[in-house]
Amino acid sequence: EAGVAQSPRYKIIEKRQSVAFWCNPISGHATLYWYQQILGQGPKLLIQFQNNGVVDDSQLPKDRFSAERLKGVDSTLKIQPAKLEDSAVYLCASSSIPGRGANYGYTFGSGTRLTVV
Amino acid sequence: AQSVTQPDIHITVSEGASLELRCNYSYGATPYLFWYVQSPGQGLQLLLKYFSGDTLVQGIKGFEAEFKRSQSSFNLRKPSVHWSDAAEYFCAVGPTSGTYKYIFGTGTRLKVLA
Repeated sequence: EAGVAQSPRYKIIEKRQSVAFWCNPISGHATLYWYQQILGQGPKLLIQFQNNGVVDDSQLPKDRFSAERLKGVDSTLKIQPAKLEDSAVYLCASSSIPGRGANYGYTFGSGTRLTVV
Repeated sequence: AQSVTQPDIHITVSEGASLELRCNYSYGATPYLFWYVQSPGQGLQLLLKYFSGDTLVQGIKGFEAEFKRSQSSFNLRKPSVHWSDAAEYFCAVGPTSGTYKYIFGTGTRLKVLA
C-alpha cells in the first residue's frame, strides 16, 4: 500500500510569513495526526482528526496554527504568521480506526522540514 | 504526569558490538509501548511494539525489547550492531483504549564506528 504522503519536503520562509503543509494519509485510514518535531526533541502531537472532526488539538497554538481535513481524507496544516521557534519537522501520521491489538499503531510520512529565518 | 525518558542522548558503539537503549515511562496504567527509528531526513519507522503477553518482543532488523513492569522500563536491544543501524531511536507510549495519542521520548542518537 502507498504510504503517508507529505509535501513539500522542505520549506524556508521568513518570520511573519505564512506557510502550509499538505498530508495525504494511507487510503482508508480514518485517523490523521500532525506532529511537530523540534531538533533534539521527540515528536509532539499538535492535532488529531477522526475523519473530518478534531479529536485533540490541546497542544496546537491556535493563535497561529490551523489545520483542516474537510473531506476526511487529506489534510492541511497552516502557520500564520510564522515565528523563529516554529522551525521544526512537521510529521503527518495516519491510522485505522482506533482499537486494540495488532492494528494499533500508525504510519508516519517523511515530514516537512520548516526553517524560519 | 505522563512522560517518557530516554536518559542517553547519544550512544556510540562499534560495529558488531551489542546495544541497549534505555526507556523509562511514567503513566497512569500500563500503556502500549513502542520503539521507532528515524534515519536522517526520514519519517519514523516502527521497530516493535508491546501490547500484552510475553514481555520480550521481537521486532524488525534484529531488534528486541523487554518490558519490565516493576521498573516501568522498555529497553531496546540488539546483539550485534550494523553500520546501517546508525539513526535516532524513539521510545513511545500510548493508551490501551481510546485514541492513539502517543507520548514520545526525546530520542537517542546512535553512532556506529566501523
